[in-house]
Amino acid sequence: QKEVEQDPGPLSVPEGAIVSLNCTYSNSAFQYFMWYRQYSRKGPELLMYTYSSGNKEDGRFTAQVDKSSKYISLFIRDSQPSDSATYLCAMRSGNQFYFGTGTSLTVIP
Amino acid sequence: GAGVSQTPSNKVTEKGKYVELRCDPISGHTALYWYRQSLGQGPEFLIYFQGTGAADDSGLPNDRFFAVRPEGSVSTLKIQRTERGDSAVYLCASSQANEQFFGPGTRLTVL
Repeated sequence: QKEVEQDPGPLSVPEGAIVSLNCTYSNSAFQYFMWYRQYSRKGPELLMYTYSSGNKEDGRFTAQVDKSSKYISLFIRDSQPSDSATYLCAMRSGNQFYFGTGTSLTVIP
Repeated sequence: GAGVSQTPSNKVTEKGKYVELRCDPISGHTALYWYRQSLGQGPEFLIYFQGTGAADDSGLPNDRFFAVRPEGSVSTLKIQRTERGDSAVYLCASSQANEQFFGPGTRLTVL
């Protein structure tokens, strides 16, 4: 079993839709939770970062962490074609970061 | 300011050859990470530097892989006797505190 599980998709939604992306994990030692966006042939770009259970909002993006269920989510409101990318969840334990496989998202104009 | 840069952006080599991949981190960042990303996968941890020393190299797949950071800034990932299975994007990230900032990666193709 992988440390971090993420549905690879692909996920296709119409412009303006609410997108929900999710990851589950098995390691209780994970303390920090991140979401990255990766465009084709580019490095991952940090979107959201949190270290506690609950919600964190930044513009159209909301990150949600449920440590009791070992489940994290990223919600994108009013999705735009420019949001089309691969979204990676990542978790940190000590000095190591563990990434999901990424979910490919396409927002159709 | 400047972000993390990696050179070359693309490297094509033949099986059995030696390659070096370079990473220039964000100035002042003490932590530096190397990852390998295969198609359709997330980045896979290779090695982590804190300053000049390799604090954790548990992700290096075998002894053909080696990395250095002699002055605590630029780092070089070295791969000896390359194999076709080494083909991937090699990502570097630097960090100060809890956030990682990634470079664009080097796409390595071993023919």
